[in-house]
Amino acid sequence: AQSVSQHNHHVILSEAASLELGCNYSYGGTVNLFWYVQYPGQHLQLLLKYFSGDPLVKGIKGFEAEFIKSKFSFNLRKPSVQWSDTAEYFCAVTESSASKIIFGSGTRLSIRP
Amino acid sequence: DTGVSQDPRHKITKRGQNVTFRCDPISEHNRLYWYRQTLGQGPEFLTYFQNEAQLEKSRLLSDRFSAERPKGSFSTLEIQRTEQGDSAMYLCASSSSEETQYFGPGTRLLVL
Repeated sequence: AQSVSQHNHHVILSEAASLELGCNYSYGGTVNLFWYVQYPGQHLQLLLKYFSGDPLVKGIKGFEAEFIKSKFSFNLRKPSVQWSDTAEYFCAVTESSASKIIFGSGTRLSIRP
Repeated sequence: DTGVSQDPRHKITKRGQNVTFRCDPISEHNRLYWYRQTLGQGPEFLTYFQNEAQLEKSRLLSDRFSAERPKGSFSTLEIQRTEQGDSAMYLCASSSSEETQYFGPGTRLLVL
C-alpha cells in the first residue's frame, strides 16, 4: 500500500533560517507529488505540485521542492523563513492513474520572531 | 468566494444521533472527494465522485457512512448512529481533470 512519511513532526526555527522538510513515499509506479499548507485557522492550500518534467518545482511564497526518484523523496525547502510561514505542512502523493490523495502525517513549523 | 464550501462548519452531537454534512464544490469541477482528518494526522481518503457516480470508497467508510452526489454538483455525507470515534474534521475537495484538488474549510464534528 502507498504511504507517505514525514519524519519531522515539529520543527522550530528562527526567522531567516533555512528550511528543509523531509518527505518520502512508498510506491514504485508513476506518481504525482504535492505539498499542502494549513495556516492557523485556515483550510488546506496547495503550496506546490510535481506531475512531470523538471524535478525541481517552485511554489508560492518562495517555497520549492525537489523530486528525487531514486530516493522516493520530495523534500520541501525555503532559503529564508518568515514568521508568517508558521503552519502545518503536509506532503502528499497520488498515483497517476488514481485520484485519491495519500497524505503524510504533517510537520508543524513554528517560527520564532 | 468561488472556492469549495462546506456546511456546517461545526457540529456537536450526542452519540447515536445521525448527522449530515454538505459540500459545494467549485462550479466547473466534476470530481468531488471526502476526507477525514483527526488531530495530529493528515487527511485520510473516504470516498470520491466523478459527476454523480461514486467511484471509490475507502475501508474507513463503514456501513454507517453514506455519501451522495445526486446531480453531480453538491454532495452530502451522512453518518448514522454516530460514535465518539467519529469525532474528526471532515474535509471536502474538488478537482477538474487536471487532478489538483482544492479543499474546503471542513466540518468539525464532535460526538459527545
